[in-house]
Amino acid sequence: EAQVTQNPRYLITVTGKKLTVTCSQNMNHEYMSWYRQDPGLGLRQIYYSMNVEVTDKGDVPEGYKVSRKEKRNFPLILESPSPNQTSLYFCASSLMKGPTQYFGPGTRLTVL
Amino acid sequence: RKEVEQDPGPFNVPEGATVAFNCTYSNSASQSFFWYRQDCRKEPKLLMSVYSSGNEDGRFTAQLNRASQYISLLIRDSKLSDSATYLCVVTHSGAGSYQLTFGKGTKLSVIP
Repeated sequence: EAQVTQNPRYLITVTGKKLTVTCSQNMNHEYMSWYRQDPGLGLRQIYYSMNVEVTDKGDVPEGYKVSRKEKRNFPLILESPSPNQTSLYFCASSLMKGPTQYFGPGTRLTVL
Repeated sequence: RKEVEQDPGPFNVPEGATVAFNCTYSNSASQSFFWYRQDCRKEPKLLMSVYSSGNEDGRFTAQLNRASQYISLLIRDSKLSDSATYLCVVTHSGAGSYQLTFGKGTKLSVIP
């Protein structure tokens, strides 16, 4: 089954404790991206990757890192999480400039 | 600055009604346009692409007006299952970049 998986689905952590949210897709997509969704602010792109070893900042990259060592994986790293990073995070993938972004099920992160 | 604006609603309509949403975008260089649907606490899913000539998919019709920089979505004969948030999406690309900007969404509730 074609899908994007994210782990964990739910996470409660404390300020400053490094964490990684994994994202994996099995559709051989070149393009992958991370979004955060907050009430009243909608979906905002954090980082995106157009291919292996190619990553670029989206609209709200501060406080996040990503890597794209393999085509299928695109982890999101929070080196020192802060409460303002409490949000719902979505990973997505697509063919390069393809019409359909396939979203993962989301990761709900709470930073205390 | 890239902006995509939508009326947040909610639009509360009876079953069988016709409802229309508009979305405006600020970047005249935007290239591709889509409507996504998001159910509560779920990931967004592509509803339809939007083409300059207008396009229809069953009860859904999408239109693009590049001169006025807006896109629209018309839903005819609304069903209870149409209740969701509808997200307008615009893409921009340049040398080595490709980004998607989402509107904040318009909430639709179809009432029995």
